[in-house]
Amino acid sequence: GAVVSQHPSWVICKSGTSVKIECRSLDFQATTMFWYRQFPKQSLMLMATSNEGSKATYEQGVEKDKFLINHASLTLSTLTVTSAHPEDSSFYICSARDRKITYEQYFGPGTRLTVT
Amino acid sequence: AQKVTQAQTEISVVEKEDVTLDCVYETRDTTYYLFWYKQPPSGELVFLIRRNSFDEQNEISGRYSWNFQKSTSSFNFTITASQVVDSAVYFCALKGPNFGNEKLTFGTGTRLTIIP
Repeated sequence: GAVVSQHPSWVICKSGTSVKIECRSLDFQATTMFWYRQFPKQSLMLMATSNEGSKATYEQGVEKDKFLINHASLTLSTLTVTSAHPEDSSFYICSARDRKITYEQYFGPGTRLTVT
Repeated sequence: AQKVTQAQTEISVVEKEDVTLDCVYETRDTTYYLFWYKQPPSGELVFLIRRNSFDEQNEISGRYSWNFQKSTSSFNFTITASQVVDSAVYFCALKGPNFGNEKLTFGTGTRLTIIP
């Protein structure tokens, strides 16, 4: 149980285009999902917290107009990187909190984004 | 503010040796949770253990053991008889109470290399 999927697992896009990453909780309902970014050989940095049906809360320094987060259902959150630039190339990881098991976050396998 | 320090950036040991990964944390919360995750080259985070602040009992799981000491704000992780498959980046993380502070704060990680 407690499986989180991400799609796509990797994506290459051209500079200036937008790319959408999906995060799904497969066997539980997630009222809260988290989006992290990890640069090579660095730690995970929380970008934003999204709650189902409401606006995401972004961490300081994260551009909300550039990283659009939508959490439209209890099993799906999406991160859209708009007008991507090479410096947005990173490993993006989502996690989901089970509405019943509140101390646990389940992580997705990550999405590797390369912007050329 | 929460902070997790993993002072060991990289560790290399020969297979079958024991190795301890250090984790020191800072928090003002009286209730909190500590975690260890393994991140192999594939990138997917693998959950290893969760410990709440009221449970200082050490835990052993096969070759893995954890030493939680509130007096020194440490939550160290020991691998006994290391194997090549243990090579990965290991992250220690801290979370506040279930409601009000759900963010996971990660340490910078320790890259462990097991030499055959």
